[in-house]
Amino acid sequence: EIVLTQSPGTLSLSPGERATLSCRASQSVSTSYLAWYQQKPGQAPRLLIYGASTRATGIPDRFRGSGSGTDFTLTISRLEPEDFAVYYCQQYGNSPPWTFGQGTKVEIK
Amino acid sequence: QVQLQESGPGLVKPSQTLSLTCTVSGGSITSGGYSWSWIRQFPGKGLEWIGYIWHSGSTSYNPSLKSRVSISRDTSKNQFFLKLSSVTAADAAVYYCARSNRPASPPEGYFRHWGQGTPVTVSS
Repeated sequence: EIVLTQSPGTLSLSPGERATLSCRASQSVSTSYLAWYQQKPGQAPRLLIYGASTRATGIPDRFRGSGSGTDFTLTISRLEPEDFAVYYCQQYGNSPPWTFGQGTKVEIK
Repeated sequence: QVQLQESGPGLVKPSQTLSLTCTVSGGSITSGGYSWSWIRQFPGKGLEWIGYIWHSGSTSYNPSLKSRVSISRDTSKNQFFLKLSSVTAADAAVYYCARSNRPASPPEGYFRHWGQGTPVTVSS
């Protein structure tokens, strides 16, 4: 099973600032099968990025995914008020189980 | 637009079987190439993929739960189901059903469409 470790646990930033979230895998994620989700309180996760760098339908271009192998990054170029939430990475390699990171909370400073 | 809705008892006694239903609208669970999964989120907010049923009816489970979990479907009602046996307090979570983003073979394991989730408590 691939273990995903996200850092930092909490990111305190102001609107307009840049957010950089990290996701590190315990072994290489095949074909960059990595996704990012955003979750707000009381809501289901929302798909942001898949294939490490492809934005899902309707996701603003301030969200950018990058990385390969074991190191992946989600960058939010300029934080909007609605971007303060918890973000999860998830790997979905060819062989289940598919696993999630423990999350990074982006909070208002 | 596909929509998913979980339903089932919110309270299950220890050692009993948790049974949940996911009702799908706006798309057929037999549509080629989509996987239909159950995912749970623990009170500490960690997420765990439980398993999926594919459009063909084949299933795949998380090895950590494989001895206790079963996913099945009723195509006439466009529903799929989760059964988790011998539950303990560690199984308390919000349970989500979800669909993969696009048809693929083998099925893709990331999720574009989610239900709103249903909380399950395990207590006598």
